[in-house]
Amino acid sequence: EVQLVESGGGLVQPGGSLRLSCAASGFTVSSHYMSWVRQAPGKGLEWVSIIYSGGSTYYADSVKGRFTVSRDNSKNTLYLQMNSLRAEDTAVYHCAKRAEWLLNWYFDLWGRGTLVTVSS
Amino acid sequence: QSALTQPRSVSGSPGQSVTISCTGASSDVGGYNYVSWYQHHPGKAPKFMIYDGSKRPSGVPDRFSGSKSGNTASLTISGLQPDDEADYYCCSYAGTYTLVFGGGTKLTVL
Repeated sequence: EVQLVESGGGLVQPGGSLRLSCAASGFTVSSHYMSWVRQAPGKGLEWVSIIYSGGSTYYADSVKGRFTVSRDNSKNTLYLQMNSLRAEDTAVYHCAKRAEWLLNWYFDLWGRGTLVTVSS
Repeated sequence: QSALTQPRSVSGSPGQSVTISCTGASSDVGGYNYVSWYQHHPGKAPKFMIYDGSKRPSGVPDRFSGSKSGNTASLTISGLQPDDEADYYCCSYAGTYTLVFGGGTKLTVL
């Protein structure tokens, strides 16, 4: 079955770090553009980052310099390393796969998400 | 980059049609033909519904249609069904490797 399953969320203090994982099955992560999208409580979706199949990475201004997206090809897993966390980073984090049959950043497969809570 | 503007909620009875608007700017919705729509049942994975403003991926019913005029995109759902009750998000490419989403619209099927 083709699916994405996120993990690694939890409670972390402001200024702390957390690494999220997104395990893929049914396709190869390294062959696709993969993204992270988050949803703060009561808010809409917010794009966070993307990693291209070639390795290039891009970030939203709100996380640039603090978050790093990467992947482990041997584990077929996408990661999001989050440092210097702030209360406003509290959200459910979804990973998503770009629709490779389209040219632009459209995501045809999403995970259910993992909740990150930043609080003292 | 500011979020795209969507109504907080819309509602309709089974069989009726509803339209959800998504207003942006010339730097996003108005500047590119790269608007998409996602359906999200809370607690589940979002689902890809519309791309390029008006095209449907395989498997999406033709009850779902999209359009765009200037800086505003719209999603119309006709023949409402109970399972259509969900949150709907528009999304647009905003240039310089940036995506912007709307604030989301909660659709209630009465």
